[in-house]
Parts: sequence; structure tokens; C-alpha cells
Amino acid sequence: DAGVTQSPTHLIKTRGQHVTLRCSPISGHKSVSWYQQVLGQGPQFIFQYYEKEERGRGNFPDRFSARQFPNYSSELNVNALLLGDSALYLCASSERGGLEEQFFGPGTRLTVL
Amino acid sequence: GNSVTQMEGPVTLSEEAFLTINCTYTATGYPSLFWYVQYPGEGLQLLLKATKADDKGSNKGFEATYRKETTSFHLEKGSVQVSDSAVYFCALRGEKGGFKTIFGAGTRLFVKA
Repeated sequence: DAGVTQSPTHLIKTRGQHVTLRCSPISGHKSVSWYQQVLGQGPQFIFQYYEKEERGRGNFPDRFSARQFPNYSSELNVNALLLGDSALYLCASSERGGLEEQFFGPGTRLTVL
Repeated sequence: GNSVTQMEGPVTLSEEAFLTINCTYTATGYPSLFWYVQYPGEGLQLLLKATKADDKGSNKGFEATYRKETTSFHLEKGSVQVSDSAVYFCALRGEKGGFKTIFGAGTRLFVKA
């Protein structure tokens, strides 16, 4: 079975640009969460979606937005990129978005120059 | 709010040495506790978990016990291998925290042959 997939693997952008990151959950999983992992730190929660509805939002500015599609895949959008947005962006899926196990994808490495 | 504190690294050990990585948490309610491992260039993999007090999670020779009285979830392994070199993250997730996963800062482990 395929695990959580993310695209692209790596991305280089310049300040002020916009970026879209994509995530496909494990088949049958209806919840997707996004995390930002800055180099040398633990992942920080950005968003959780379940059945296409936003269930939770972390302490990130409005430049960050996300959505979930009818097939449960998800996009994370970041506008007006800053140097500090450079990080590994991780997507995790789970069946219901509760206390069951989350499965993480390999991440998208974003570099902002 | 909920938080996780783990010992700073890096931790450098010789092969077959005993490993302990300390983790303490602050949380309301009764969260589930996790240890994740991140190998170089990869995403997060769940190593073990415990869902209630006094539960012991174990996997691949690693163990951790959910201690509510000391709010701790220390990771141990009796004999480390070079292949255990990675970054280890302690984490929690609970209903009171909106089901998002809260991670510690991570502890890098180097195992020398």
C-alpha cells in the first residue's frame, strides 16, 4: 500500500513569491494535518483537516492557508514568502483525525532565497 | 498549553551502549505519548506509543513507559547499533489539545562503531 505522498520533494522560491505544496493521504484516511519543521527543531502544527473541514489551526499568520479536496488530498498555500518560511513541510494522515496513529509523508523541503 | 521537553543533544554513544533520552510533558487531560524517529533526509516514523498511564510502548528494542506521576516518557534501549543514529522526537497528542501533535525539539543520536 502506498504511504502518504507529498510533492514536490524540493522547492526553491524567492521572497515575496507564493508556493503550493501537495499531499495525498493513505487510502481510506479522511484527515490530513500539516506541520512545519525548521532545521534543528521539532515539527510545529499548522493545520488539520477532516472531511474537507478545517478542524484546527496552529499559531501561523494568515499567509498560510490550506484546503482539502473531495478525494481527501490537501494543499498548503503560503503567500508572500519570507526567509523564515524555509523549512521541511510535513503532511500526516490518519483515519479520523482523533487519537489514532498519524502517518507522516517524506516532506517537502522549501528554501526561500 | 500542552508542551514537551526533551534532553538536548547530540548524544554520542559507542555501539552496544545503553541509551536513555529523557522526555517530560505538560498536558491537561490524558494525552497519548509517542516517540518518533527521523533518519537523515527522511520524514518521521512512529517508533512507539503509549495511550494511558503505566503503559509501556516498545519496538525494535526501544522502550518507554508512560509515567503520569512524574509526567515523563523516557526512551531507553539496552544496546544501540550504528543504524540507530537518527533524531528522536518525543510527542504528545490529546483531546484537550485539539488532536494536534505537540513535538519536543528532538535529540540527535550518534552511534560510533
